[in-house]
Amino acid sequence: RKEVEQDPGPFNVPEGATVAFNCTYSNSASQSFFWYRQDCRKEPKLLMSVYSSGNEDGRFTAQLNRASQYISLLIRDSKLSDSATYLCVVNKYSTLTFGKGTMLLVSP
Amino acid sequence: GAGVSQSPSNKVTEKGKDVELRCDPISGHTALYWYRQSLGQGLEFLIYFQGNSAPDKSGLPSDRFSAERTGGSVSTLTIQRTQQEDSAVYLCASGGDGDTQYFGPGTRLTVL
Repeated sequence: RKEVEQDPGPFNVPEGATVAFNCTYSNSASQSFFWYRQDCRKEPKLLMSVYSSGNEDGRFTAQLNRASQYISLLIRDSKLSDSATYLCVVNKYSTLTFGKGTMLLVSP
Repeated sequence: GAGVSQSPSNKVTEKGKDVELRCDPISGHTALYWYRQSLGQGLEFLIYFQGNSAPDKSGLPSDRFSAERTGGSVSTLTIQRTQQEDSAVYLCASGGDGDTQYFGPGTRLTVL
């Protein structure tokens, strides 16, 4: 089983749609969790950290289920500018392990 | 403030040549990481420096790869006798007290 698994997509959605990304990780000792965003030919940038209690930042909601080793990201009211690859990231002892990412394409 | 910078932004080299890639982390960040990303692939961890501790080299793919960090700041990743499979984007990231890593723009390496 891969350390961090994501559906590669692409997810094609119209503007205004709600889209959900899922991620599973294999190492139960993982300590912290993140979603990064990577635009085409650019470096990854932190989108948000993920907590067991769930956290929300505007249109973005992240959730962690430690028992199931499952992480999710929900984007509401998607914008054209949300088009990017979303990377699920797991941290253990300061070493980040990245999923391959899920590509999102938002169309007018 | 200034972010992580990397140079060169692009490097084209011939198979068998050595290359050096440079990373300037965010000032004050004690942690520095190197990753590489091949076309269509996820980020692959290479090496991690934390302060004055011995680096975690567990991700280096072969002994042709090495890295150093001078004075706890600038880092250089060296690839000796480059091969075509070394072609990738090499990304550097730095981090402060927390877990968050901030990435530089990367160096796109092409080995002909």
